[in-house]
Amino acid sequence: SAVISQKPSRDICQRGTSLTIQCQVDSQVTMMFWYRQQPGQSLTLIATANQGSEATYESGFVIDKFPISRPNLTFSTLTVSNMSPEDSSIYLCSVSGTGLYEQYFGPGTRLTVT
Amino acid sequence: AQSVTQPDIHITVSEGASLELRCNYSYGATPYLFWYVQSPGQGLQLLLKYFSGDTLVQGIKGFEAEFKRSQSSFNLRKPSVHWSDAAEYFCAVGRGSGSARQLTFGSGTQLTVLP
Repeated sequence: SAVISQKPSRDICQRGTSLTIQCQVDSQVTMMFWYRQQPGQSLTLIATANQGSEATYESGFVIDKFPISRPNLTFSTLTVSNMSPEDSSIYLCSVSGTGLYEQYFGPGTRLTVT
Repeated sequence: AQSVTQPDIHITVSEGASLELRCNYSYGATPYLFWYVQSPGQGLQLLLKYFSGDTLVQGIKGFEAEFKRSQSSFNLRKPSVHWSDAAEYFCAVGRGSGSARQLTFGSGTQLTVLP
């Protein structure tokens, strides 16, 4: 399975600011995904990021709030813009595995907005 | 639409006891099913998966799951729980096709293991 790293692992940010989260994988992958996990909740897909195309956002998530870059097959970033306390969550990236629908996850970025 | 239900929010078992975590899915065709585990402060780790074939699948850490089409279930089991199994467990189903392939997750079951 792929080895995935995320930076930063955690951060405390002030409202109104933006944070960019990096996701690096040790092998080339076609599909990368960004999820939000609010406190005590399950995972909610924010967007799918395929290299060479614009990210596809899920209902309730917009590019202005969560811009995503996917410059190559091993790297992606998610920016959380104009943050509010409601953005306090764990943000996880994942990558497509060898099996259909299979995904491998990074360790997550724990974001607290004050 | 595909969905996953995990009826048990929280389960407590004693160390050494057996474990069964329930997962029910809603899907028209043969589903692609997964169980993931999330330890505190960690990302998700894939425990096992079912695509087709043998309905009893073996995973890592001594876990197994059984696919029952008649019951739309994919329950996770372990014969003897260890304290290190305390974590949150998520069932997921694959949906979509091509570049729109993705996973839908259940709400999760928190497992507490008593000494």
